[in-house]
Amino acid sequence: AQSVAQPEDQVNVAEGNPLTVKCTYSVSGNPYLFWYVQYPNRGLQFLLKYITGDNLVKGSYGFEAEFNKSQTSFHLKKPSALVSDSALYFCAVRDDGNGGFKTIFGAGTRLFVKA
Amino acid sequence: DTAVSQTPKYLVTQMGNDKSIKCEQNLGHDTMYWYKQDSKKFLKIMFSYNNKELIINETVPNRFSPKSPDKAHLNLHINSLELGDSAVYFCASSQDLGANTEAFFGQGTRLTVV
Repeated sequence: AQSVAQPEDQVNVAEGNPLTVKCTYSVSGNPYLFWYVQYPNRGLQFLLKYITGDNLVKGSYGFEAEFNKSQTSFHLKKPSALVSDSALYFCAVRDDGNGGFKTIFGAGTRLFVKA
Repeated sequence: DTAVSQTPKYLVTQMGNDKSIKCEQNLGHDTMYWYKQDSKKFLKIMFSYNNKELIINETVPNRFSPKSPDKAHLNLHINSLELGDSAVYFCASSQDLGANTEAFFGQGTRLTVV
C-alpha cells in the first residue's frame, strides 16, 4: 500500500537561510512524487514533481527536491528562505503498481520563516 | 480566469439539512476529484471521476453523492448533514488518470454544520 510520511509538524527557519522539509514514502511500484503548498484559506498549489530521470527536480518559487531511491525520500529544499514561503507544505505520492488512481498526501508540514 | 472554481466559498448550515457544492474546471482536464480537509489539515480523497465516470469512491457515507454532468463539472451533494461533516472540501482536476499528472485545486468550500 502507498504511504507518505512527513516527520515534522513544523519547521522554523530564519529568512535567508536554507530550508528543508522532509518526506519519505512507500509504494509497491515506481513512485511518482509531488510537492504542493497551501497558503492560508487557499487551495493547494503544485510546486514540483519527480517522475523519472534526474534525481534533483526544480520547481516553482525557487524550490527543488531531491529524490533518493535507497532512502525512499523526497525532501523539499530551498537555498534561501523568504518570509513569503511561510505556508503548509504537502508531500504526495502515486505509483504505477497497485496504488490504483489515488494520490496519497502526507499530513503536511507547516513552515515558518522569520524575518 | 480561475482554473478550478468552486462555490460557495463558505457554507454554514444546520444539522439535517441537504446542501450542494459546485465545481467547474476550464482546463480541459479529463479527471476531477473531491477531497476533504479536516481541522488538522489532513487531506483525504473522497471521489474521483474520469470523463464523467466514477473511478474512486473512498468509503464515503452514501449521504455524499457526487454528480458529473460533463467532464468540466463535478458537484457534491450532501444529505442529512452531520456535525462531523464540518471541514473544508476541495475540488481538483488533473489532465488524466496518469500517475505522473499533478492536480489543480479550487479555493475550497468551508462547510460548518451547527
